[in-house]
Amino acid sequence: NAGVTQTPKFRVLKTGQSMTLLCAQDMNHEYMYWYRQDPGMGLRLIHYSVGEGTTAKGEVPDGYNVSRLKKQNFLLGLESAAPSQTSVYFCASSDTGSGTEAFFGQGTRLTVV
Amino acid sequence: TQLLEQSPQFLSIQEGENLTVYCNSSSVFSSLQWYRQEPGEGPVLLVTVVTGGEVKKLKRLTFQFGDARKDSSLHITAAQPGDTGLYLCAGQTDSWGKFQFGAGTQVVVTP
Repeated sequence: NAGVTQTPKFRVLKTGQSMTLLCAQDMNHEYMYWYRQDPGMGLRLIHYSVGEGTTAKGEVPDGYNVSRLKKQNFLLGLESAAPSQTSVYFCASSDTGSGTEAFFGQGTRLTVV
Repeated sequence: TQLLEQSPQFLSIQEGENLTVYCNSSSVFSSLQWYRQEPGEGPVLLVTVVTGGEVKKLKRLTFQFGDARKDSSLHITAAQPGDTGLYLCAGQTDSWGKFQFGAGTQVVVTP
């Protein structure tokens, strides 16, 4: 009963380094999302996908790229990390349509020094 | 600028007291959801409301969706320490299902 799994759970990067966060869901959901959560800011949408092979920009997409090559996986990439990208990152998935529930992973705490 | 404004930002009460958290917007939502998040975890859905004026009850929690589908409230009766957490509202403005979240209300219930 895995649901949404994020890896890694913690990471420290130096400014300028790159990394990829992996999100995997086993619920056959069409929609997947990447959010960042910062104190006092709530969850802000970075990118999302409405199906395999599709991606779209959210509220704060700059500095991030995503890919959805397989329906169950949604990857978030940071090409050149900056201290402003220090945050907790959450992946979520949902079935299609309005009123559906979003299922979240446990988050990845990323620190860029 | 947050699409959804939540108030208050922080609420500290004693066990047994009642509390109300608000979620307001100038936008109309096709559905609105409330989530609770505990430290080190992702948010977990509490309820979804879709009809203007709708009231839903979940044990000691009462959720209301405004008639115009622009605002919502969460009322907790006789709060318990287990109710401690970050309460987030999330709205969907189109049929695609994309969620937009408020900044959250941190609720602390002390014994």
